[in-house]
Amino acid sequence: GNSVTQMEGPVTLSEEAFLTINCTYTATGYPSLFWYVQYPGEGLQLLLKATKADDKGSNKGFEATYRKETTSFHLEKGSVQVSDSAVYFCALAGYNNNDMRFGAGTRLTVKP
Amino acid sequence: DGGITQSPKYLFRKEGQNVTLSCEQNLNHDAMYWYRQDPGQGLRLIYYSQIVNDFQKGDIAEGYSVSREKKESFPLTVTSAQKNPTAFYLCASSIDRGPDGYTFGSGTRLTVV
Repeated sequence: GNSVTQMEGPVTLSEEAFLTINCTYTATGYPSLFWYVQYPGEGLQLLLKATKADDKGSNKGFEATYRKETTSFHLEKGSVQVSDSAVYFCALAGYNNNDMRFGAGTRLTVKP
Repeated sequence: DGGITQSPKYLFRKEGQNVTLSCEQNLNHDAMYWYRQDPGQGLRLIYYSQIVNDFQKGDIAEGYSVSREKKESFPLTVTSAQKNPTAFYLCASSIDRGPDGYTFGSGTRLTVV
């Protein structure tokens, strides 16, 4: 079945550092890929998505490229801020949407 | 603004009690979902529903029940049969097909006292 594996945390960075959180997937067909962010005590918010190979999703300085050849969707940001501290989830869904699979989440802490 | 609302934000349950968590959406989404999140863990699917009056078990349905009498509403009951109910519960909704992903509510934290 479909599954997502993401880098285990926690990740601690200094402000303005470069961020990469790795995500790889296993899927049949052509899934859509997502990154969600969860701030403390809140639900998940969609950060970015990509729906086909070589698509790049971007939002708030974060980027991720759908790489079919390496089955990856790594999250990157060039310069993190303290306000980026949160848990980040990689996810995939098939066209029918009713079987979205989430990674275990990666906790990011950014220190001033 | 359209969105998905969960209530209450915090809920306390005594041993042996059933409790019901509310989830309402005004996004006109067909599908709705309930997830459980334990500290430091990912999300585990409890139940989902793609249409009114129909729902399917997820990975951890034991000790939980749901109903879908209206498109907008998908309440979750945590029954006394759920032996370890303390967790953060998340409701989500989506269109039935297509690549838009899920919209999540802000969650309910359930604690057994």
